[in-house]
Amino acid sequence: NAGVMQNPRHLVRRRGQEARLRCSPMKGHSHVYWYRQLPEEGLKFMVYLQKENIIDESGMPKERFSAEFPKEGPSILRIQQVVRGDSAAYFCASSRLASGSFDEQFFGPGTRLTVL
Amino acid sequence: RKEVEQDPGPFNVPEGATVAFNCTYSNSASQSFFWYRQDCRKEPKLLMSVYSSGNEDGRFTAQLNRASQYISLLIRDSKLSDSATYLCVVDDNQGGKLIFGQGTELSVKP
Repeated sequence: NAGVMQNPRHLVRRRGQEARLRCSPMKGHSHVYWYRQLPEEGLKFMVYLQKENIIDESGMPKERFSAEFPKEGPSILRIQQVVRGDSAAYFCASSRLASGSFDEQFFGPGTRLTVL
Repeated sequence: RKEVEQDPGPFNVPEGATVAFNCTYSNSASQSFFWYRQDCRKEPKLLMSVYSSGNEDGRFTAQLNRASQYISLLIRDSKLSDSATYLCVVDDNQGGKLIFGQGTELSVKP
């Protein structure tokens, strides 16, 4: 049973380009969460998605960031017009059960984004 | 005030030492509490859940005091392999969102 998969593992972009980060949850998991870890800081929640629905995007920056989890395929975190401050590790997690009946979130290996 | 606050590190201890990490959280409605471990900025991995009655897993003991909104982790007989950053994590009681502390780095020396 493969774990949470993220790709690419490392991504380098120049300022103003777009970054697309992909996350495939564990088999049987339909809940996906994205977290960001800035250098020397803890993980910060960004967004919580279920298939075709955004449940909680309270941690997403208001501009340039979007996320989706389509019916088919991986979840995508998209950052438009990247700036140096977007350089961070972006972790995806998945869980099996809905919130309320808390289930462990399993984390992927992360995508390390570097903006030049 | 930070939502989850941990002891600032790093902790440098010799092998065999006992080390304790402390954590406080601000949301009294939080229902689920955890300690995660993160190695060299790899992905966080669940170390243990924390229950009001306290729980133990081998050399690791976790305690929760809801009245004080305080969580602790005790590591006995520390090993070199325990060197990592320990993350105190709580849920926000509004969904699946986890709130992470900034982490406390532990370095166990021979």
